[in-house]
Amino acid sequence: DSGVTQTPKHLITATGQRVTLRCSPRSGDLSVYWYQQSLDQGLQFLIQYYNGEERAKGNILERFSAQQFPDLHSELNLSSLELGDSALYFCASSVVEGRGYTFGSGTRLTVV
Amino acid sequence: GESVGLHLPTLSVQEGDNSIINCAYSNSASDYFIWYKQESGKGPQFIIDIRSNMDKRQGQRVTVLLNKTVKHLSLQIAATQPGDSAVYFCAENPQDYSGGGADGLTFGKGTHLIIQP
Repeated sequence: DSGVTQTPKHLITATGQRVTLRCSPRSGDLSVYWYQQSLDQGLQFLIQYYNGEERAKGNILERFSAQQFPDLHSELNLSSLELGDSALYFCASSVVEGRGYTFGSGTRLTVV
Repeated sequence: GESVGLHLPTLSVQEGDNSIINCAYSNSASDYFIWYKQESGKGPQFIIDIRSNMDKRQGQRVTVLLNKTVKHLSLQIAATQPGDSAVYFCAENPQDYSGGGADGLTFGKGTHLIIQP
């Protein structure tokens, strides 16, 4: 157990739908990062939050959004889902920005 | 854009031998590098990191070497064990966090390490 908790572990949904993925960082970690892992693109950085504020954006689609709440948990919202959004979505957290990320076990999203 | 890459998609080694996994990076501004291990069905697990002001760092059974001249990073695993079987990723971050600012890591595509008995 890495200390980073992601729910749900698996999610199957239809195209056009909207889903929310949840992440609880390790205790004491203020930074949360979201990554997408697909077979053809590998691990791609999506977005980062630090203590509730958005800090950096990577290859995140406009259909996707995220937020970090006062208790530091984060949610990644994926809308108007397409087949190509099927992937593993990982959350990671760190005490110090950019150092020693700890990843959760991921949410496997399947869009049918 | 800049990217981090690995030389081999698959590396097969005998149990007990040393493993060397290589990585080439192209962003000369990168100042921090991490190696991750990912087992099937799990998230990436931090192995070891190194900053650009170092050329070698050792951990338990692992050593990371950084050659900034040729932009090359390697991970050496001593006495490879069956539990080392996984996909190994190198990752880079061009930001120096001492002054604030943030960005995500850029990952290579990974090398699958296969341990033969």
